[in-house]
Amino acid sequence: GAGVSQSPRYKVAKRGQDVALRCDPISGHVSLFWYQQALGQGPEFLTYFQNEAQLDKSGLPSDRFFAERPEGSVSTLKIQRTQQEDSAVYLCASSFRTGVTDTQYFGPGTRLTVL
Amino acid sequence: ELKVEQNPLFLSMQEGKNYTIYCNYSTTSDRLYWYRQDPGKSLESLFVLLSNGAVKQEGRLMASLDTKARLSTLHITAAVHDLSATYFCAVGPVYGGSQGNLIFGKGTKLSVKP
Repeated sequence: GAGVSQSPRYKVAKRGQDVALRCDPISGHVSLFWYQQALGQGPEFLTYFQNEAQLDKSGLPSDRFFAERPEGSVSTLKIQRTQQEDSAVYLCASSFRTGVTDTQYFGPGTRLTVL
Repeated sequence: ELKVEQNPLFLSMQEGKNYTIYCNYSTTSDRLYWYRQDPGKSLESLFVLLSNGAVKQEGRLMASLDTKARLSTLHITAAVHDLSATYFCAVGPVYGGSQGNLIFGKGTKLSVKP
């Protein structure tokens, strides 16, 4: 069956540009997560949705980062006025429920390069 | 603050040998995951461990969890080249925290050579 999909797979932005990254979770999955993975590092949590509600955004590094999931399915991570330090792979993950036993399934990621 | 430490960070093995990757975490957590990541690819779930003493095996990989020691191990038996990848352990949040996010270690980059 279809997994988590993300688009675009690669994005090059000039410093100061705004970017929007899309995540399509597995159909029916209630929970959706965004992570940031710097080169050679493990993923770091950014934000978490349960259906359309953003329950945790403690990992967003600055107010330039904004995420939404208006209808409880597709999510968009927006970064305003991109900076070079924003260059990373942005991973989206979804899980079926909110229970502690549920595995998070990851998408292929969007590699963002800010010049 | 929950911290997750993996060691070693780099591991070069010969085919046919055994080795263990260690994952230590700093506070009580609900669950521990092991993921595999191939270069340029996303993370593939390998194991989820939920209770003290849990042991799971898939092929040449076996994962275990000791919640009292806050330690999980990923044991590789008779390594083959196809196991070359980066392995991450990830721990669920402490009680009272978000129900969602995982805290990842830095990963162990495994290279299996003939």
